Amino acid sequence: AQKVTQAQTEISVVEKEDVTLDCVYETRDTTYYLFWYKQPPSGELVFLIRRNSFDEQNEISGRYSWNFQKSTSSFNFTITASQVVDSAVYFCALSDRNSGNTPLVFGKGTRLSVIA
Amino acid sequence: EAGVTQSPTHLIKTRGQQATLRCSPISGHTSVYWYQQALGLGLQFLLWYDEGEERNRGNFPPRFSGRQFPNYSSELNVNALELEDSALYLCASSLAVDRILPTFGSGTRLTVV
Repeated sequence: AQKVTQAQTEISVVEKEDVTLDCVYETRDTTYYLFWYKQPPSGELVFLIRRNSFDEQNEISGRYSWNFQKSTSSFNFTITASQVVDSAVYFCALSDRNSGNTPLVFGKGTRLSVIA
Repeated sequence: EAGVTQSPTHLIKTRGQQATLRCSPISGHTSVYWYQQALGLGLQFLLWYDEGEERNRGNFPPRFSGRQFPNYSSELNVNALELEDSALYLCASSLAVDRILPTFGSGTRLTVV
């Protein structure tokens, strides 16, 4: 069965600090996709990144970076030099192609507060 | 291009009543998904519709139901509302062939009093 665990419920950092959000997943399949979404106070889920299980290269996009490690089933997200606008709830999600008609499975989210 | 639109934005109902939530997908998207985001529970998958048919449903009682119309818009109905149904209900849509990258709407916040 698919499962996504975000152990950090809430994180609070001071502006300009770096912060890493953890994500650990479980799946029996060899083909799967991992995602990160940002949910600002407006409620909409904003897509940040999708990685497939065959691509373990780390990715950097501006202040955001992602570390995908199949050996530890983790897909961690780091924000460098955090800003107040980064304050939001961040969700990690998993989609398992071989599990039939199952859409995205989400973790419970991590609420990030960046304090000025 | 318009995104996924949901209506109403907010909805207040009394316990025992019925609620109807609506979702319009992105033009060209044929799959619509519904998720419930209750406080402290993350996003729970509710329903998935594609080409007018229900493809899968999550672990919710039958009083949660819905449908997809020929124009691919969708309705979520919640009957016999209970206080714990209070949540943000998010709709997402995707191309059928790329159901692994849904785009989400801003949600309907349902409050049951």
